[in-house]
Amino acid sequence: EPEVTQTPSHQVTQMGQEVILRCVPISNHLYFYWYRQILGQKVEFLVSFYNNEISEKSEIFDDQFSVERPDGSNFTLKIRSTKLEDSAMYFCASASGGRSYNEQFFGPGTRLTVL
Amino acid sequence: AQRVTQPEKLLSVFKGAPVELKCNYSYSGSPELFWYVQYSRQRLQLLLRHISRESIKGFTADLNKGETSFHLKKPFAQEEDSAMYYCALSPSGSARQLTFGSGTQLTVLP
Repeated sequence: EPEVTQTPSHQVTQMGQEVILRCVPISNHLYFYWYRQILGQKVEFLVSFYNNEISEKSEIFDDQFSVERPDGSNFTLKIRSTKLEDSAMYFCASASGGRSYNEQFFGPGTRLTVL
Repeated sequence: AQRVTQPEKLLSVFKGAPVELKCNYSYSGSPELFWYVQYSRQRLQLLLRHISRESIKGFTADLNKGETSFHLKKPFAQEEDSAMYYCALSPSGSARQLTFGSGTQLTVLP
């Protein structure tokens, strides 16, 4: 069964550094998402992406964040200058946009630690 | 603004006992409601959605618009049901963002 994959599983970085988190959505899916979960808190929506542009974003998704689909398979989240409070688990998800269009399939997550 | 509330962080029941995980929501329009489950060391996965009205792994959930609730129920809990359960809401429409509750850790004791 196809799955969403994410790399790396764990990323450690210094405050102020740029990080890129990578996701490979399920191949025929059209909608892509990033969520994050700070330890002990809720899973929070960051951004959704459809047809090569952002369709929705939350207040968390400020100018420090960007997303890109650089080729037909990858979907990336870039944080330009990481802060301590960016430490969290970041989940990528994708949805087909078909009959079960609202079923989002999640990746295993990337744990980002900012020191 | 939309909000999902799961009042119980932790819930323990004995095997064979009924279980109910509570979820309340606030949203001004007509939302879609979901239950997602995360088993130990596994990814978040959809358990059920209110639109499909199906029973998955013996779990059911009924959307009560009057009480703005979407509680998850199972008549006889099994040990393999132990997991983290998240209630989530999405505005109606194509593939909209999910708003999650804080989750309930269910432990089914032998």
